[in-house]
Amino acid sequence: ELKVEQNPLFLSMQEGKNYTIYCNYSTTSDRLYWYRQDPGKSLESLFVLLSNGAVKQEGRLMASLDTKARLSTLHITAAVHDLSATYFCAVDDNYGGATNKLIFGTGTLLAVQP
Amino acid sequence: DAGITQSPRHKVTETGTPVTLRCHQTENHRYMYWYRQDPGHGLRLIHYSYGVKDTDKGEVSDGYSVSRSKTEDFLLTLESATSSQTSVYFCAISSPRLAGRADTQYFGPGTRLTVL
Repeated sequence: ELKVEQNPLFLSMQEGKNYTIYCNYSTTSDRLYWYRQDPGKSLESLFVLLSNGAVKQEGRLMASLDTKARLSTLHITAAVHDLSATYFCAVDDNYGGATNKLIFGTGTLLAVQP
Repeated sequence: DAGITQSPRHKVTETGTPVTLRCHQTENHRYMYWYRQDPGHGLRLIHYSYGVKDTDKGEVSDGYSVSRSKTEDFLLTLESATSSQTSVYFCAISSPRLAGRADTQYFGPGTRLTVL
């Protein structure tokens, strides 16, 4: 059974600082997703990582995937208040199949303080 | 925004009553999903559909049923609502997984359901 763990669950950081959110998963998968959710809103797709060593960057966020370690990281560079949100990783539980059956981590609530 | 709507957006009901939530898409995506979101659990898959009249169970399907009679509509029914089904429900859509394609799931705006 695929399990996905995120840490930390809560992250309070100052503007301008760097930090990393970690996502570990328990069984083989070939794709991993990062989503952002603002309070009371839906989920917004940030990154889809397909292969070992994949790295994607968008603005101050960079995501990477190590399938051998079953670990993905979401690195935040020089945080700004606008990045305050909850971040979820999700791992595809249908290796080799056609549907995206996603197992989500519990989320990391990021609060960027001025 | 992906063309996904959910109705109703908010609902308060009483224990034991039936409830149906609707997800409607205008994107013609083949796959549709229902999730629930609860504090401390992230999102959990309830049911999904891989085509008209083709559905399957997810992680937390007990107490829920689904139907898909048209590509664009995916209904989630709580036959007899319980307080443990108080949650925020999200619908999502996606294309079929293809090797090397970074397709994602697109989520609807959510339905907040309260069962008293």
